[in-house]
Amino acid sequence: EVRLLESGGGLVQPGGSLRLSCAGSGFMFSTYSMAWVRQAPGKGLEWVSLISGSGGHTFYADSVKGRFTVSRDNSDNTLYLQMSSLRVEDTAIYYCATAKGPLSDYFDFWGQGTLVTVS
Amino acid sequence: SYVLTQPPSVSVAPGQTASITCEGNNIGLTSVHWYQQKPGQAPVLVVYDDSDRPSEIPARFSGSNSGNTATLTISRVEAGDEADYYCQVWDSSSDHRYVFGTGSKVTVL
Repeated sequence: EVRLLESGGGLVQPGGSLRLSCAGSGFMFSTYSMAWVRQAPGKGLEWVSLISGSGGHTFYADSVKGRFTVSRDNSDNTLYLQMSSLRVEDTAIYYCATAKGPLSDYFDFWGQGTLVTVS
Repeated sequence: SYVLTQPPSVSVAPGQTASITCEGNNIGLTSVHWYQQKPGQAPVLVVYDDSDRPSEIPARFSGSNSGNTATLTISRVEAGDEADYYCQVWDSSSDHRYVFGTGSKVTVL
């Protein structure tokens, strides 16, 4: 059974930093591209970042580029999102997800999310 | 940037059919994926590549995509289908971007 468990969320002041983690199990972690998707309170889904299986390729939404850094440790089956220069508008539930398809173009498994509040 | 527009709400009686549209410029030229999100829960993939279903998703969920509109159809709607639904595409034209639709709330009357 695929399991994704996020952690690291919390309350942080504007301009602060936070690191999210996502522990994966039940699948070949290193063979999957992994993504972060967020959802502001009462709003829709917004893709944040994606990292290839090897970690050699990373991609970011314009809204977080230059402030967030995605990384992974395949020896520990863990995905990370380092967030800095946080803004009030970064307040959201952050989900990690496995990216599937020949282009890693959709997300087939999701974690339960971790809440980040910037205030 | 690429925009996907969905109706904010869709209402349907139990046992009837719900159709949720996702409009985007030439969306028929790309693959569309759909997610179901119930209150307080993470999204769940219900349709991928326009019309394929993960094995655990009932056949009542189906999808189509042509021209400027993709559609998720839920047949024989049940109370448990009440949720928010989002379409999603991979925008290859803009350096590896994932775009979600605006979301549709399906209410079972």
